[in-house]
Amino acid sequence: QKEVEQNSGPLSVPEGAIASLNCTYSDRGSQSFFWYRQYSGKSPELIMFIYSNGDKEDGRFTAQLNKASQYVSLLIRDSQPSDSATYLCAVNTGTASKLTFGTGTRLQVTL
Amino acid sequence: GAVVSQHPSWVICKSGTSVKIECRSLDFQATTMFWYRQFPKQSLMLMATSNEGSKATYEQGVEKDKFLINHASLTLSTLTVTSAHPEDSSFYICSARDRSRGGTDTQYFGPGTRLTVL
Repeated sequence: QKEVEQNSGPLSVPEGAIASLNCTYSDRGSQSFFWYRQYSGKSPELIMFIYSNGDKEDGRFTAQLNKASQYVSLLIRDSQPSDSATYLCAVNTGTASKLTFGTGTRLQVTL
Repeated sequence: GAVVSQHPSWVICKSGTSVKIECRSLDFQATTMFWYRQFPKQSLMLMATSNEGSKATYEQGVEKDKFLINHASLTLSTLTVTSAHPEDSSFYICSARDRSRGGTDTQYFGPGTRLTVL
């Protein structure tokens, strides 16, 4: 059983729309949650982290966490073609601060 | 802030040779660094956790004698792929943990090293 699950996509949204990326995790003891963006051939870059239930906003990005449902999501408002990338959800279960990554969702923002 | 560098960015070597990859945290001290490997169209796979001044902790299935990790200072960790073979060709990415930022365990990634073994 995968510990962190994401839909691989591709998720296609038109420019200017809201992109919604979802992630579920299996370990109820998970402490903190991260969203990374990875362009093809590049390494991941941190978008934001969240560890409390609710929403956390940073510019066009909003992370949402629901620990009861073991669900974390990332909303991207006013999607731009430059947002086209693979988005990785990562979960820290508290074990030596290791992160468990999902397989990523590929987002395509179309003109 | 939270910049991590890796060197080299790419390397091509002959089968049987060893390759050393450096990972540096440029503007913070990293007591813990992580080494990942990523094959095409796959997610990141954690290879090992590197702690400054102590032995690395390897993930199950990762050969510690093949992938030598040294974390000699708070800003530098190295990964040496010994006796590299074509199946070791991959994208190797390090990350460093910065606990000074709000107490989180956020990992910041280096730009990666693409290794090709001929």
